[in-house]
Amino acid sequence: AQSVTQLDSHVSVSEGTPVLLRCNYSSSYSPSLFWYVQHPNKGLQLLLKYTSAATLVKGINGFEAEFKKSETSFHLTKPSAHMSDAAEYFCVVSEAGANNLFFGTGTRLTVIP
Amino acid sequence: NAGVMQNPRHLVRRRGQEARLRCSPMKGHSHVYWYRQLPEEGLKFMVYLQKENIIDESGMPKERFSAEFPKEGPSILRIQQVVRGDSAAYFCASSPGLARLDEQFFGPGTRLTVL
Repeated sequence: AQSVTQLDSHVSVSEGTPVLLRCNYSSSYSPSLFWYVQHPNKGLQLLLKYTSAATLVKGINGFEAEFKKSETSFHLTKPSAHMSDAAEYFCVVSEAGANNLFFGTGTRLTVIP
Repeated sequence: NAGVMQNPRHLVRRRGQEARLRCSPMKGHSHVYWYRQLPEEGLKFMVYLQKENIIDESGMPKERFSAEFPKEGPSILRIQQVVRGDSAAYFCASSPGLARLDEQFFGPGTRLTVL
């Protein structure tokens, strides 16, 4: 069985400071892991994905995430927040052979000027 | 290359009416997935279709909901006799094929409001 836990429902940071959005997963097999971003009233955009290659994954807009199997974590980070980063972020897991993606409940990121 | 298109973007229905949501996948994509996002929640898988076939409908409610992806035309998610609890955002995603499951491209969603 697979599941995703996003530890924080809301995160608030000041512009220019680092961003950390936490995600832990549970998966029976080697998972693929993703982070998606959703801006208000918009669809989802893929930020980055891990599919058993390098454990440190770089995505768009300066985001990156590190797959840590021992901690079953896939936290999303960015060195310096920008106002345009304010959005809802979803951590997502998929197992080999599965037909769909499992979404976390989301973390709403607020960026304070 | 246009992305995944969904229409309408917003749909208002009264209780007991029918809702039809349409999804046109990206060009060259033959796999379509429907997800539902209830307020303050993540997306939940509903159904996975290929052309003329339902592959996995394990996330579909047992009654009132149906989906199709005909040989020609968009995929349709149909909700009969809508109730207030059906109010949600419905997202469609498409992918090139089963081998590319990890590359699902999402549409902008249809926001259904049931009065």
